[in-house]
Amino acid sequence: GAVVSQHPSRVICKSGTSVKIECRSLDFQATTMFWYRQFPKQSLMLMATSNEGSKATYEQGVEKDKFLINHASLTLSTLTVTSAHPEDSSFYICSARDTSRDRGNIQYFGAGTRLSVL
Amino acid sequence: AQSVTQLGSHVSVSEGALVLLRCNYSSSVPPYLFWYVQYPNQGLQLLLKYTSAATLVKGINGFEAEFKKSETSFHLTKPSAHMSDAAEYFCAVSDRSYQKVTFGTGTKLQVIP
Repeated sequence: GAVVSQHPSRVICKSGTSVKIECRSLDFQATTMFWYRQFPKQSLMLMATSNEGSKATYEQGVEKDKFLINHASLTLSTLTVTSAHPEDSSFYICSARDTSRDRGNIQYFGAGTRLSVL
Repeated sequence: AQSVTQLGSHVSVSEGALVLLRCNYSSSVPPYLFWYVQYPNQGLQLLLKYTSAATLVKGINGFEAEFKKSETSFHLTKPSAHMSDAAEYFCAVSDRSYQKVTFGTGTKLQVIP
């Protein structure tokens, strides 16, 4: 099956620093990747849709300058949390979709990144 | 617009008992429907999907779900619960263009020995 690798799995940082999270599709080309945020005991909230070679589409209420998304290649998208603050602490999950083969438009998820901002 | 409602944020069953997790959807167009499972501190793993073929969909780990248009439901079942089934389960819906997937709020399944 399709594999999506997300790194790091856990990061602890000081308030005011920036953190970069990588999402890689290992065995397929992902023209579209998605970034979600999950609060404790809640569902996934879509933050943005990342399309290779173009600007990300952000959901309403998500700060573009706060959460920088780059999808420079067909196998890699990055999410950078800039000037992180404690309220940014959360579980961030990426997913990737492969439309070039018959994967049924399924999203394949990374293992998530637990961000803790001190 | 599309949405899913998962009835019951917590469900407890005894080991060996039937598992039934409820999901109702709302969609203005024929939907794609999914069930995902999430173990603690991990991403989501696809259990099964409905994409307009057979209405009874079989997935991994012995789970299955039935699409019932008249009831706008897509409930997840498993005949006999195992301890390893303890996890959180998310129902999700998307339209056929798959531009956006909407997740339910999740149901945490507890399996009692």
